[in-house]
Amino acid sequence: DAMVIQNPRYQVTQFGKPVTLSCSQTLNHNVMYWYQQKSSQAPKLLFHYYDKDFNNEADTPDNFQSRRPNTSFCFLDIRSPGLGDAAMYLCATSGAGTAREKLFFGSGTQLSVL
Amino acid sequence: KQEVTQIPAALSVPEGENLVLNCSFTDSAIYNLQWFRQDPGKGLTSLLLIQSSQREQTSGRLNASLDKSSGRSTLYIAASQPGDSATYLCAVSTGANSKLTFGKGITLSVRP
Repeated sequence: DAMVIQNPRYQVTQFGKPVTLSCSQTLNHNVMYWYQQKSSQAPKLLFHYYDKDFNNEADTPDNFQSRRPNTSFCFLDIRSPGLGDAAMYLCATSGAGTAREKLFFGSGTQLSVL
Repeated sequence: KQEVTQIPAALSVPEGENLVLNCSFTDSAIYNLQWFRQDPGKGLTSLLLIQSSQREQTSGRLNASLDKSSGRSTLYIAASQPGDSATYLCAVSTGANSKLTFGKGITLSVRP
């Protein structure tokens, strides 16, 4: 029944150890987004894909990368996690990506960095 | 740069009360505004979406209004219940590809 699925639900990694978060969708939506949300803060857009077209936000650190091998899957790679990267990571999708469409969010992955 | 503000950061009300949550944004050139609910440690659930040409949207006990010219939206919750306790975030779409700018949210606690 779930439409946007994020795995794992909780991820613990060590300082500097690469980590990958995954997102899949059953909605066949063109656009997929990754947001970072720190405690009591607003979600912040990291980047998004329109189909295979990657769009990085200007202030997203180079430490964050993304891959979208097909329509259904999108990955967030953190190359060298720092303590400041501990956050909830939210994946979202929208249909055609027009500015008027609703976004659908997954349950999020809570990342801890030790 | 678009900024979205939600004040107060937290609100506590007794069960049964009608309440209003406020959201303001600095750039009135928006395409739509969405209200989301977030339970602790969870993702976001979309509650209501108001297009820029609309004034309000209703779903059950929830009613959201939009005054684009003044940069304001309200989420009205009727007859609040303890199950309504959550953080409520508003977000505006101001560009292509439905990119959203979020407020920090209002954490609502409804006391039995």
